[in-house]
Amino acid sequence: AQSVTQLGSHVSVSEGALVLLRCNYSSSVPPYLFWYVQYPNQGLQLLLKYTTGATLVKGINGFEAEFKKSETSFHLTKPSAHMSDAAEYFCAVSDSGSARQLTFGSGTQLTVLP
Amino acid sequence: DVKVTQSSRYLVKRTGEKVFLECVQDMDHENMFWYRQDPGLGLRLIYFSYDVKMKEKGDIPEGYSVSREKKERFSLILESASTNQTSMYLCASSGYSEQFFGPGTRLTVL
Repeated sequence: AQSVTQLGSHVSVSEGALVLLRCNYSSSVPPYLFWYVQYPNQGLQLLLKYTTGATLVKGINGFEAEFKKSETSFHLTKPSAHMSDAAEYFCAVSDSGSARQLTFGSGTQLTVLP
Repeated sequence: DVKVTQSSRYLVKRTGEKVFLECVQDMDHENMFWYRQDPGLGLRLIYFSYDVKMKEKGDIPEGYSVSREKKERFSLILESASTNQTSMYLCASSGYSEQFFGPGTRLTVL
């Protein structure tokens, strides 16, 4: 069975600082991995995804994530935080070879301090 | 742009009422999903559907049912609403590579 652990339910960074949101997964087969963002009172929006190929994945708004099979991790990073990055971030995994069956982490609320 | 729309953004119902949450997608996706979102628990899958008139239970189907009579529409039904069903409900649809989400319905059961 697949599962996702997001370390840190709340993360605070200063504007301009590095953003690092952690995600570890378990999967019995090569996973598909996703990061979604949810702004207040909105649905989820895809930031980036890993399916196959290059392990460093670039997404929207300057975010990227690296798939590390040996560490079963898919951490999300952004070099310089912006106030508009304040939101909740969800990591998700699929071991079905598609986006049909996603298991989500519990989410990380990112606060950006001025 | 892919669009997933949900019939209501906010809904207030009384205990015991029958509640319908509607979701419509415009991308001809075969797969549709209903999730429940609660603080600290992330998204939990209630039901999903791979085709018209087909449905599969997710992780927390108790107290819910669904209907999919047309490809573009997927309805979530609370037969007799209870206070512990107060939550944010998110609908999604997908093709192969990504799930697209609606804006959510925040349901309060009094």
